[in-house]
Amino acid sequence: DGGITQSPKYLFRKEGQNVTLSCEQNLNHDAMYWYRQDPGQGLRLIYYSQIVNDFQKGDIAEGYSVSREKKESFPLTVTSAQKNPTAFYLCASSIPTGQGKHEQYFGPGTRLTVT
Amino acid sequence: AQSVTQPDIHITVSEGASLELRCNYSYGATPYLFWYVQSPGQGLQLLLKYFSGDTLVQGIKGFEAEFKRSQSSFNLRKPSVHWSDAAEYFCAVGDPLNYGGATNKLIFGTGTLLAVQP
Repeated sequence: DGGITQSPKYLFRKEGQNVTLSCEQNLNHDAMYWYRQDPGQGLRLIYYSQIVNDFQKGDIAEGYSVSREKKESFPLTVTSAQKNPTAFYLCASSIPTGQGKHEQYFGPGTRLTVT
Repeated sequence: AQSVTQPDIHITVSEGASLELRCNYSYGATPYLFWYVQSPGQGLQLLLKYFSGDTLVQGIKGFEAEFKRSQSSFNLRKPSVHWSDAAEYFCAVGDPLNYGGATNKLIFGTGTLLAVQP
């Protein structure tokens, strides 16, 4: 079955450690996205990538980094510079449905807890 | 700048009752409009979308939404709610001028949490 996988589902880290969240898709989608979700705040865009070896900062990129070495993979690193990293992280991907209209499809998410 | 407002943080309806979830947007023209649903601890699933044309849009799971330009709204409706509809619902907008271009992104509302009473 085609889809987006995120692993692990739950992740625990100590403060000061970097941590990398995995996102893999087998939908052959070109674009991929990382969102952060906090209670009562909806989804906020961290980074997005339109194509391999290219990515752009979203609205809240500080303290995060990404890479896009393969079409299928878009890992997110939460660095020790992120002041409040505990959140639910969602990965998404999209392909044009016509005339540049991108529907976004989401993975199941990773809940990161930093103590 | 674009923005999306979901005025209702939490709504409770009885099973079998009708449902309407509100979504208002701020944008200079007609944006692309989406409704997503999220079950607890899960990712988001696309319910329906509006790009242009017929202002009444049918989606999955018996949901529909109506685009009203005069009210800058895109409210989600269902005639008879089932217990399995309990979830959080997000409205989102995309900018047609940038969609598919260099700044292809969605702006999400803060969500409406739906509870269904037996």
